[in-house]
Amino acid sequence: QSALTQPASVSGSLGQSITISCTGSYSGVGGYDFVSWYQQHPGRAPKLIIYRISNRPSGVSDRFSGSKSGNTASLTISGLQAEDEAQYYCNSYTSSGPWVFGGGTKLTVL
Amino acid sequence: EVQLVESGGGLVQPGGSLRLSCVAYGYTFTDYWMSWVRQAPGKGLEWVANIKQDGSEKHFVDSVKGRFTISRDNAKNSLFLQMGTLRPEDTAIYFCARGPHLGDAFDIWGQGTLVTVAS
Repeated sequence: QSALTQPASVSGSLGQSITISCTGSYSGVGGYDFVSWYQQHPGRAPKLIIYRISNRPSGVSDRFSGSKSGNTASLTISGLQAEDEAQYYCNSYTSSGPWVFGGGTKLTVL
Repeated sequence: EVQLVESGGGLVQPGGSLRLSCVAYGYTFTDYWMSWVRQAPGKGLEWVANIKQDGSEKHFVDSVKGRFTISRDNAKNSLFLQMGTLRPEDTAIYFCARGPHLGDAFDIWGQGTLVTVAS
């Protein structure tokens, strides 16, 4: 299966913005618009926060936004809040995978 | 309320078998693909398998091909994962998830059921 690469950790201060990257291959992130992002708090199930690169499900704060450039998708969280501290995972459909998660990024809010 | 409830996890010896179940509530089960995603202790998420609405199409991650099967009973709004020839590396929380949907996303998740493979 293809791999999706995320930074292991990112941090930001309350009120600031951060961006988490997710880099794949042409057969995955680069070749399809099927990239989604999930938030997971400790001991909880993952929660979908972005689908199809940049769309938010109903009820998800507009502080969360997504984008893609080439083989890299990105999740941006603006106006950081304490409750944003969590693990974040990207996911992409791939022609070989077919569905692959990134390794996850731990967000620390300072 | 839309929700997924898993059951069937437990402790099993290497080489053994286990069947996980997931019951869907609050939506039309037959409208959606369904998936299993697992998370080893302290590790990230790994997509395991999924099944089309009518059961006619199934996909598996390479590491479980030939050992796991996925099925569904649409009359009972239920999803199953039959796991065989279990290995210690299969130890994980197994989540049932609705999807892929919304452009290949998993939009509803269960609370998970823990499978431990150990002697």
